Amino acid sequence: GQSLEQPSEVTAVEGAIVQINCTYQTSGFYGLSWYQQHDGGAPTFLSYNALDGLEETGRFSSFLSRSDSYGYLLLQELQMKDSASYFCAVYGQNFVFGPGTRLSVLP
Amino acid sequence: DAGVTQSPTHLIKTRGQHVTLRCSPISGHKSVSWYQQVLGQGPQFIFQYYEKEERGRGNFPDRFSARQFPNYSSELNVNALLLGDSALYLCASSLDRRGNQPQHFGDGTRLSIL
Repeated sequence: GQSLEQPSEVTAVEGAIVQINCTYQTSGFYGLSWYQQHDGGAPTFLSYNALDGLEETGRFSSFLSRSDSYGYLLLQELQMKDSASYFCAVYGQNFVFGPGTRLSVLP
Repeated sequence: DAGVTQSPTHLIKTRGQHVTLRCSPISGHKSVSWYQQVLGQGPQFIFQYYEKEERGRGNFPDRFSARQFPNYSSELNVNALLLGDSALYLCASSLDRRGNQPQHFGDGTRLSIL
């Protein structure tokens, strides 16, 4: 089977850095993706890691360690608009999304 | 360019009824996936279609079915609706079925079962 674990909630202040971790168990693994979803909105793609290491896209970075079945999303220079739910997703046999981490950014 | 469009946006049904949800992918995208999202949880994979063939199926009962048309649009059908089917149904399209392709989600159909 396939399962993912993420912290349920994270709180940080504007301008801070926050890391959202994701561990996964999957039969067959091609890569780890991250999606952002604002309340009432659709998930939007943030990043994809197929190989070990760090991928940087602006204020967001994503890391993958295939040997540890672990990845994280790093958000820098937090802004109020970053308050949302963040999902890691594994593509193995199918796409499997994690339960989501609700990020609250405080002024 | 238009994004992924889903219809209807909201739907209210009663137990035992049948529902059809529709999805039009981004132009040029050949893969369409369907997800069910219950409030406070992550999207749960239902189906993936690519080039009009089912390429993946999640852990959902046979009451759930789907198809993809020659223009790559897709329908999700749910029979014998149960209260537990109340959820947001999301459609996502991507260029192809490879996992490195970003999935672009529509705004979803919110289905309420009374």
